Amino acid sequence: GDSVTQMEGPVTLSEEAFLTINCTYTATGYPSLFWYVQYPGEGLQLLLKATKADDKGSNKGFEATYRKETTSFHLEKGSVQVSDSAVYFCALIPGGGAQKLVFGQGTRLTINP
Amino acid sequence: DTGVSQNPRHKITKRGQNVTFRCDPISEHNRLYWYRQTLGQGPEFLTYFQNEAQLEKSRLLSDRFSAERPKGSFSTLEIQRTEQGDSAMYLCASSPNAGGETQYFGPGTRLLVL
Repeated sequence: GDSVTQMEGPVTLSEEAFLTINCTYTATGYPSLFWYVQYPGEGLQLLLKATKADDKGSNKGFEATYRKETTSFHLEKGSVQVSDSAVYFCALIPGGGAQKLVFGQGTRLTINP
Repeated sequence: DTGVSQNPRHKITKRGQNVTFRCDPISEHNRLYWYRQTLGQGPEFLTYFQNEAQLEKSRLLSDRFSAERPKGSFSTLEIQRTEQGDSAMYLCASSPNAGGETQYFGPGTRLLVL
């Protein structure tokens, strides 16, 4: 079935460090891919998305590229800030008309000043 | 656009009691989704409505769970005869019908079954 595997956390970095959170997926069709973020005490928010192979999603300095050949959608940011501390979820919507989001287990990121 | 709202935000109940949660989607969003999130895990899909029609239900949705969206606007999720394993965050999301796969989430209802 469709699934998402994320890099296990927690991840702790210093401010201005480079961030990568790995995400790989298994899907039977041609999925759309998403990164959602959950800041402390807040609901899930869409961070970025990509709907077809080789698309790059970007927002707030974060980027992720849809790689069909490696079934990956890794999240990157060049210089993290303390305010980026949150839980990050990789997710997909399977192709073929399905509407449900399938989430990874989440990666907790803490940025120290 | 006031966002997706959910009520109550927190619910504590005793095992065996029934509980009902409400979700108000973003106005004019035709699609509405329910997810469940347990501690340290990603959300898991429960069910999905397009307007008032319930189009998909997960196997996670046992016969103790029922969801409705009678007029195609707000939705309710009822859990009958609650069990301790039902303790979780229940999330609602909505999306527009056309050209929109992005789902917008509410703040969730945290349920604790004692």
